[in-house]
Amino acid sequence: EAEVAQSPRYKITEKSQAVAFWCDPISGHATLYWYRQILGQGPELLVQFQDESVVDDSQLPKDRFSAERLKGVDSTLKIQPAELGDSAMYLCASSLSGDEQYFGPGTRLTVT
Amino acid sequence: GDSVTQMEGPVTLSEEAFLTINCTYTATGYPSLFWYVQYPGEGLQLLLKATKADDKGSNKGFEATYRKETTSFHLEKGSVQVSDSAVYFCALTTFGNEKLTFGTGTRLTIIP
Repeated sequence: EAEVAQSPRYKITEKSQAVAFWCDPISGHATLYWYRQILGQGPELLVQFQDESVVDDSQLPKDRFSAERLKGVDSTLKIQPAELGDSAMYLCASSLSGDEQYFGPGTRLTVT
Repeated sequence: GDSVTQMEGPVTLSEEAFLTINCTYTATGYPSLFWYVQYPGEGLQLLLKATKADDKGSNKGFEATYRKETTSFHLEKGSVQVSDSAVYFCALTTFGNEKLTFGTGTRLTIIP
């Protein structure tokens, strides 16, 4: 069964450092989402792509976060510089034209 | 804005007990409603969904009915098993907006 792949699974970084996460969606899925899940809360959307275009990045802290999906397939989410409050699980999901979203295993980020 | 309010956790039950996890929502427009489950160390999986009033979603013995009059989508299971131990998230999307809005999650632990 096809799955959404994410790497790394775990990342520990010091504050003020740069960090990047990678996501490979299910083949053929045009829509890709990045969510952030703070411990004890539900996931919140950071950015949504339709192919290579950003559809919604209204909740992305653009002073330090960036996201790209250059060829409309895999995607990278970057944080620079990381802050203590960025410690969270970063989830990637993909869907076929807005239908059911399939989630990857997530990247757990700890900022020290 | 759209929001989901979920029953506070954690919830601890004995095996074979009846389960109810409450979920109510506020949405502009006519939402689709979802229950996602997150097992330890894994990403979110869609458990069930309902897209219009009075629809009942069901999967793996879990059920939830879309109640427009009470803006609710409560999750139920008649006889829980130890393997049902996980975190359960209620969520919604609205027409024309594919992003999922999640509740805070309810951690369920089943004791043998």
